[in-house]
Amino acid sequence: DVKVTQSSRYLVKRTGEKVFLECVQDMDHENMFWYRQDPGLGLRLIYFSYDVKMKEKGDIPEGYSVSREKKERFSLILESASTNQTSMYLCASRGGWTEAFFGQGTRLTVV
Amino acid sequence: EDKVVQSPLSLVVHEGDTVTLNCSYEVTNFRSLLWYKQEKKAPTFLFMLTSSGIEKKSGRLSSILDKKELFSILNITATQTGDSAVYLCAVEALGGGSQGNLIFGKGTKLSVKP
Repeated sequence: DVKVTQSSRYLVKRTGEKVFLECVQDMDHENMFWYRQDPGLGLRLIYFSYDVKMKEKGDIPEGYSVSREKKERFSLILESASTNQTSMYLCASRGGWTEAFFGQGTRLTVV
Repeated sequence: EDKVVQSPLSLVVHEGDTVTLNCSYEVTNFRSLLWYKQEKKAPTFLFMLTSSGIEKKSGRLSSILDKKELFSILNITATQTGDSAVYLCAVEALGGGSQGNLIFGKGTKLSVKP
């Protein structure tokens, strides 16, 4: 069974902290994505990666960075968390020309 | 700029009703359109459409794509309370040297009342 696992369901962090969101997939997919989802704005692409050590900016990369050292793992990093980064974060992976599979989401609150 | 527009943004119906959700798009280098259902957690895949005029069907759900008019519809017949969810439309646009990204609409929130 296809699986995309995000390390945390809920996180509460303080303003200015460095935050790591981890995503692991077990399908040997080349492509991995990080989205954030906000009410009224839908899913917006932050970063994606189509190969190990490769990354490309999405629509809203400011304030974020990513790391993909291994094929199965794609990390999203908030260098200095701010309250406007409070959101639901969704990781997805995709192999070839198929549908994307999503993780269960991480609801991040920055206080 | 690539964009995907879904309508309506929200919809309330009663069990047994038939609903039609709309998705229009403007993207360069279109490759496919996907529908997802999202309840309280991860979006789950419903359909992928690449060719015009070919209906995809799964139980009470069906979808069709019109590449000339740049839209797709998702139909749900005989709705049930379990159909209550946000329905997301995404379009894959080829770009650069990488495989396509998925550009999502804002979603349609469907509420089915008993």
